[in-house]
Amino acid sequence: DAGVTQSPTHLIKTRGQHVTLRCSPISGHKSVSWYQQVLGQGPQFIFQYYEKEERGRGNFPDRFSARQFPNYSSELNVNALLLGDSALYLCASSFWGSYEQYFGPGTRLTVT
Amino acid sequence: ELKVEQNPLFLSMQEGKNYTIYCNYSTTSDRLYWYRQDPGKSLESLFVLLSNGAVKQEGRLMASLDTKARLSTLHITAAVHDLSATYFCAVSDNNDMRFGAGTRLTVKP
Repeated sequence: DAGVTQSPTHLIKTRGQHVTLRCSPISGHKSVSWYQQVLGQGPQFIFQYYEKEERGRGNFPDRFSARQFPNYSSELNVNALLLGDSALYLCASSFWGSYEQYFGPGTRLTVT
Repeated sequence: ELKVEQNPLFLSMQEGKNYTIYCNYSTTSDRLYWYRQDPGKSLESLFVLLSNGAVKQEGRLMASLDTKARLSTLHITAAVHDLSATYFCAVSDNNDMRFGAGTRLTVKP
């Protein structure tokens, strides 16, 4: 069975640009969560989506947004990129209400 | 505010030795997770602890949860080099998941 997939694997952007990251959950999983992991730190929760609705939001500015599609895949959008947005962005999927979530390989974003 | 604190942040062990990583948290949540992360890789789920007194073991790793003390421990028995990685604990509370800063474990021969 395919696990959680994310694209692209790596991305280099310039300050002020916009980026879109994509995530496909494990088949049957309807809940997707996004995390930001800055080098040397633990992941920080950004968003959780279930059935195309936002169900949870971490302490991130409005430059960060996300959506979930009818096939349960998800996009994370970041506008007006800052150097501090450089991080590994992780997507995780789960059955709604399940305690277990499964992480994708991540997208490494570098902002120069 | 939900806070999760791990210690130590860095741990250098010799093969064959035992050690414990501690995770303190500030919420009343009783869902506690342990993850492993290898350099440049994603997170691998190790344990999910759901109730007070829960204990789970897998190979040389054993995790326990004391919800009254808001403390979880990850005990490493007879460490081997393959256990070298960063270990995170995380607590789930109202659709928010908070991670500790991680414990970077190095096992030396």
